[in-house]
Amino acid sequence: DGGITQSPKYLFRKEGQNVTLSCEQNLNHDAMYWYRQDPGQGLRLIYYSQIVNDFQKGDIAEGYSVSREKKESFPLTVTSAQKNPTAFYLCASSIRTNREAQTFGSGTRLTVV
Amino acid sequence: GESVGLHLPTLSVQEGDNSIINCAYSNSASDYFIWYKQESGKGPQFIIDIRSNMDKRQGQRVTVLLNKTVKHLSLQIAATQPGDSAVYFCAENGSGNTGKLIFGQGTTLQVKP
Repeated sequence: DGGITQSPKYLFRKEGQNVTLSCEQNLNHDAMYWYRQDPGQGLRLIYYSQIVNDFQKGDIAEGYSVSREKKESFPLTVTSAQKNPTAFYLCASSIRTNREAQTFGSGTRLTVV
Repeated sequence: GESVGLHLPTLSVQEGDNSIINCAYSNSASDYFIWYKQESGKGPQFIIDIRSNMDKRQGQRVTVLLNKTVKHLSLQIAATQPGDSAVYFCAENGSGNTGKLIFGQGTTLQVKP
C-alpha cells in the first residue's frame, strides 16, 4: 500500500543535542512538507520541498534543517538552536500543484528532557 | 495577511444529530479548500475537498459548502457518531503555485452518547 511513514513515533532528546526525524513516502509525490503542531494548535509549516535537491523555508524554519537527496525521503533535523523543540511533528507529501490535498504521516512526538 | 480561521474552538453535539463546522478564509485568490480530520496523536486525515468552481460537494455523510461571496467554508456531518470525535481543520491553497496549504486553528468536535 502507498503511504507516508514517519519514524520514530516517540523521540526523547537531551537539551543541546541535534535529532533527525525520518519521513519516507512511496506515493511518487514530488512535493514534501514538514509541519510543527503544538497542543491545541494548528499546523505551522517548517520547510517544504517541491523537487529533489531543492527546498524552501516555511513560516518557522529557524532552528531546523532539511535535505532532499531522494524523491522518497525528506528528513528533518531539529538542531540545538531550536529553543522550544518539544512538539508533534508532521510530514506530508503531495503532487506538485496547489490544487491537490496533502497526505500526512502519523507524526513524531519529540520531547526534550 | 493570509489566514484561515474557525468560528468556534469546540463543538459539542449529541450522537445522531447533524454537526456543522465553520471556517472563514481571507485570501480571495484561494481556489481550493480541504477539510481534514485529526484524531488524538495521529496525523490529519483527508475528508473532502472543494474547488472554487463549485459551491457544494457531498461525500459519505459529509457535505462541504463554499460561499465565496463571504469567504466562508463549512463542513456538515450527518448523523454524527462517536467515531467522529476529533479535531477538524480547514485548509486553503492561498495564492501562488507552491503546493503550500494554509491551515486554520481547528475545531474540536465532541460527540455525546
